Amino acid sequence: GDSVTQMEGPVTLSEEAFLTINCTYTATGYPSLFWYVQYPGEGLQLLLKATKADDKGSNKGFEATYRKETTSFHLEKGSVQVSDSAVYFCALSDRNTGGFKTIFGAGTRLFVKA
Amino acid sequence: SQTIHQWPATLVQPVGSPLSLECTVEGTSNPNLYWYRQAAGRGLQLLFYSVGIGQISSEVPQNLSASRPQDRQFILSSKKLLLSDSGFYLCAWTLPRGELFFGEGSRLTVL
Repeated sequence: GDSVTQMEGPVTLSEEAFLTINCTYTATGYPSLFWYVQYPGEGLQLLLKATKADDKGSNKGFEATYRKETTSFHLEKGSVQVSDSAVYFCALSDRNTGGFKTIFGAGTRLFVKA
Repeated sequence: SQTIHQWPATLVQPVGSPLSLECTVEGTSNPNLYWYRQAAGRGLQLLFYSVGIGQISSEVPQNLSASRPQDRQFILSSKKLLLSDSGFYLCAWTLPRGELFFGEGSRLTVL
C-alpha cells in the first residue's frame, strides 16, 4: 500500500540556517503530495502542495519539488526563523473509490534557536 | 468561506466512561469528512472517513465508532474509553485537490 517516510527529528537549527527535511513515498497511482505544519497545541495547516511530477510547491519561504524519479518531496527553506519551530508532516493523497485518502509521515519536529 | 469546528477542545475522562466528539463544517456541501488521531510523539492515524450521510468507513478496528447524522456533522464516539484512547483527535474535510482542512483538535486524556 501507499506509504510516506520522512526523516526523524528533532531537527535543531540556529536562526537563518538552511533547512532540509527529507520525505520519500511509495504509491501505486499518481498521488498529490503535501507538507502540513502543526504549531504547538494546534491542528494541522496545509503548508504547500504539488499535484504532479516536477511541480514545485512554495509558501512562506518553504519549497518542495515533486520528484517522481526519486519518489521524493523534500522540504527546504533558505533561512529559518524562530517562528518556524513546529512539527512538519509530509503526506500523500490518492483518489480511490471512496474519495481522497491521505497518508501521513510520522512528522519531524523542528526547533529553531535565536 | 469554509470553516470547520470541533469540540470539546479538551477532555479528561475516566477509563470506562463514554465519549462524544463533534465536528461540524460550514460553507460547503457533501464534503468528505475524516477523523484522525495523533498519539503523543507520533504521526497521524486515520480512524474513520465518510463520503456521505450514514456512510462510514473504518480504517482501524478499535472501541471507537463514528456517525454522520447530517451532511456537515461528523461524530466520534466510544461506549467505554481505554487508557490507549488518549490522544489528540483531529477532524478534517477534503478540498477538491485532496488537501485536508483540519479543525482545531480535541485533546483527550483518559485516566
